[in-house]
Amino acid sequence: RKEVEQDPGPFNVPEGATVAFNCTYSNSASQSFFWYRQDCRKEPKLLMSVYSSGNEDGRFTAQLNRASQYISLLIRDSKLSDSATYLCVVNNRYNQGGKLIFGQGTELSVKP
Amino acid sequence: GAVVSQHPSRVICKSGTSVKIECRSLDFQATTMFWYRQFPKQSLMLMATSNEGSKATYEQGVEKDKFLINHASLTLSTLTVTSAHPEDSSFYICSAAGQKQETQYFGPGTRLLVL
Repeated sequence: RKEVEQDPGPFNVPEGATVAFNCTYSNSASQSFFWYRQDCRKEPKLLMSVYSSGNEDGRFTAQLNRASQYISLLIRDSKLSDSATYLCVVNNRYNQGGKLIFGQGTELSVKP
Repeated sequence: GAVVSQHPSRVICKSGTSVKIECRSLDFQATTMFWYRQFPKQSLMLMATSNEGSKATYEQGVEKDKFLINHASLTLSTLTVTSAHPEDSSFYICSAAGQKQETQYFGPGTRLLVL
């Protein structure tokens, strides 16, 4: 079983749609959680950290459920520029010294 | 945010040759650098973790004699792919973290194609 699992997609949505990505992780000792965005042929870039209390950054909302070992990302009012691959990332740093574990990514394509 | 550079951005080489990739932290001291590899449509996979002045720690299944890592200073780590083969063709990405390791800053990646 992969340590971090995501629906690979692709998700094809029209502009303005709301889209939700799900992610599960297997290591209950994981310490910190992130969503990264990766554009085609580029490096991943941090989108936002994810906290148990949930956090929002503009159109993006991230949720963490430690009991279920589940992470989500909600994008509202999607834009063409949101088209990218979204990576769920878990950091087991207190056990593995800063090693980021990446999911395989969920591809999003926003169409006009 | 902090800046991490990689050089070269892309390289094409013949099978059997060695390729060196540099990763530099431009505006902070990177006590730890990480090397990842990403094949098409797949996730980033950590290859090794290097701490300045000490030997790198390799992930299971990564050959340390094939992927030589040197982290001689707080701003530079190098990955050398020795005797490269076509199956080594991939996107190699480094990241750097400061002493507290609260954030990793990614380099822009190096695309390697072995013919």
